[in-house]
Amino acid sequence: EAGVAQSPRYKIIEKRQSVAFWCNPISGHATLYWYQQILGQGPKLLIQFQNNGVVDDSQLPKDRFSAERLKGVDSTLKIQPAKLEDSAVYLCASSLVSGANTEAFFGQGTRLTVV
Amino acid sequence: AQSVAQPEDQVNVAEGNPLTVKCTYSVSGNPYLFWYVQYPNRGLQFLLKYITGDNLVKGSYGFEAEFNKSQTSFHLKKPSALVSDSALYFCAVRDIESGYSTLTFGKGTMLLVSP
Repeated sequence: EAGVAQSPRYKIIEKRQSVAFWCNPISGHATLYWYQQILGQGPKLLIQFQNNGVVDDSQLPKDRFSAERLKGVDSTLKIQPAKLEDSAVYLCASSLVSGANTEAFFGQGTRLTVV
Repeated sequence: AQSVAQPEDQVNVAEGNPLTVKCTYSVSGNPYLFWYVQYPNRGLQFLLKYITGDNLVKGSYGFEAEFNKSQTSFHLKKPSALVSDSALYFCAVRDIESGYSTLTFGKGTMLLVSP
């Protein structure tokens, strides 16, 4: 089966600009996650969707980050305006269901550099 | 709050020797535990998980992990390391009581297998 697709793979922007990332999860996966992975750190959950509803966005910096999952399939993550500290790899993942015992499958990520 | 500790930034092992990558966790309830591997410029790949039952869990690529409740550990092991095992390894935990709980990752351990 096809994996989690993300685009773009790389993005370089200047601070205060805006940027958007796109994710297409594995077909049939109800749960979608966005993680931020800063160099030298483990992934940190930004937001978790169950179908098109948000179930956890407690660590999303809502003053500048937003995410949506229209129709419960594809998702976009937006940053506006970007800061230098937003430089990271943004990982999208999906899982079949949202139960605690289910593993998540990850895309290749989008590497964002803010200059 | 749940957390994961990976005490070693890097583990070095010679090819053919056994390897261990350490992980300890902290949760309020019972844990679901996961290991993921990340190759350069790739997303995270699922290796194995502990849900319940046998404390020794077998996963992909010959890896296994041992759950030890008294020591709150979930160390990753392989009897004979390969150079191709060189990668970044992440341990992750979910609290068994929370159906939608965050998958919390450790900071990662770089495994370097020398020929």
